Amino acid sequence: KAGVTQTPRYLIKTRGQQVTLSCSPISGHRSVSWYQQTPGQGLQFLFEYFSETQRNKGNFPGRFSGRQFSNSRSEMNVSTLELGDSALYLCASSLYRGHTEAFFGQGTRLTVV
Amino acid sequence: GQQLNQSPQSMFIQEGEDVSMNCTSSSIFNTWLWYKQDPGEGPVLLIALYKAGELTSNGRLTAQFGITRKDSFLNISASIPSDVGIYFCAGQVDYNTNAGKSTFGDGTTLTVKP
Repeated sequence: KAGVTQTPRYLIKTRGQQVTLSCSPISGHRSVSWYQQTPGQGLQFLFEYFSETQRNKGNFPGRFSGRQFSNSRSEMNVSTLELGDSALYLCASSLYRGHTEAFFGQGTRLTVV
Repeated sequence: GQQLNQSPQSMFIQEGEDVSMNCTSSSIFNTWLWYKQDPGEGPVLLIALYKAGELTSNGRLTAQFGITRKDSFLNISASIPSDVGIYFCAGQVDYNTNAGKSTFGDGTTLTVKP
């Protein structure tokens, strides 16, 4: 059974650009959550998607957005990139809302220069 | 917002020793999760706890859900070199309204000397 797949693994962008990251959950999993991991702030919740709808949102500015498709795959977008957006972005999938056990992908390492 | 205080921040131990780490919070959590993260990888779920007082084992790992619902503990017995990594605790308040939203501790970095 394939795990959570995140693409790309590494990305370098320039300040002001925008970026789209992709997450394919484990087959059959319908809930997808996104986290930002930085040395200073640790793991912070960005948002959760279920049935193509954002169900929960963390304390991040509106530049951070996401969506989920009918096959449960999810994308997150960051517009007008800032240096502080450099981080490891992790996607986690779980069977359904209310199922607490989440499985993480390897993450996308975003560097903003 | 909710915060988890995880300690110790780092540990340097000899192979074969037992390890203990814990997480505390000023607010109540209804689910506690423990993850391990290796360099360049995402966190991997080790143990999930759902009831206050619950004690759960996974091989050499044992975790407990504190009675007050404000803390959790992870013990690793007879450590081996592959236990090296960063261990995170995570709490969830209400899985119905906040499903998928975990609050994470800052992690405990474990180094095991052969």
